[in-house]
Amino acid sequence: SFELTQPPSVSVSPGQTAIITCSGDKLGDKYVSWYQQKPGQSPLLVVYQDLQRPSRIPDRFSGSNSGNTATLTISETQTADEADYYCQSWDSTTVTFGGGTKLTVL
Amino acid sequence: QVQLQESGPGLVKPSQTLSLTCTVSGDPISSVDYHWSWIRQPPGKGLEWIGYIYFNGSTKYNPSLKSRVSMSVDTSKNQFSLKVNSVTGADTAVYYCATVYVDIVATTNWFDPWGQGILVTVSS
Repeated sequence: SFELTQPPSVSVSPGQTAIITCSGDKLGDKYVSWYQQKPGQSPLLVVYQDLQRPSRIPDRFSGSNSGNTATLTISETQTADEADYYCQSWDSTTVTFGGGTKLTVL
Repeated sequence: QVQLQESGPGLVKPSQTLSLTCTVSGDPISSVDYHWSWIRQPPGKGLEWIGYIYFNGSTKYNPSLKSRVSMSVDTSKNQFSLKVNSVTGADTAVYYCATVYVDIVATTNWFDPWGQGILVTVSS
């Protein structure tokens, strides 16, 4: 089965750039979406189709996907960005989520 | 703006059937633009896709759960439902319903928005 691998945790200082990776076999041949989940809340879509953003998401959030790795980049990171982030992809058979990355802003 | 709300029992006994309903507001469930999905999250763990359904009843399930899962849609009530048979403690999770945008040609989908989730505990 298709698997997506994320680092368990990423730390960043306020105002700096956070980079969260998601790895999978030939992932660049598929589309990737990203979700933000804060404690006690349901997931929120922040990026879809590799690099598209819903209108409500600030342009500090950006995505890319190439080779075996997709990346979510959060520029000018704020304390409000502290959350779990999940990548997701689809191979026309099943939907797969990555294991999640806890972003700590300190 | 589509909104979704899960409902159902918060406690199910082992070996019994878990049944949940998602009520959709803000858009007809018969919209050709969307599919409707269930995703679950065990306490302290990651997300697991269960499956999705189209308004005409066509379904796609996670192969790992396919033998125990069924989904249905009720367009008159703007609701869709989930059943999981023969539950065990491993089925204890927060269950989310979500709207799915599916582009079969581009082989892509994404989930937006999500309901608030409902915790279902499997215990005797």
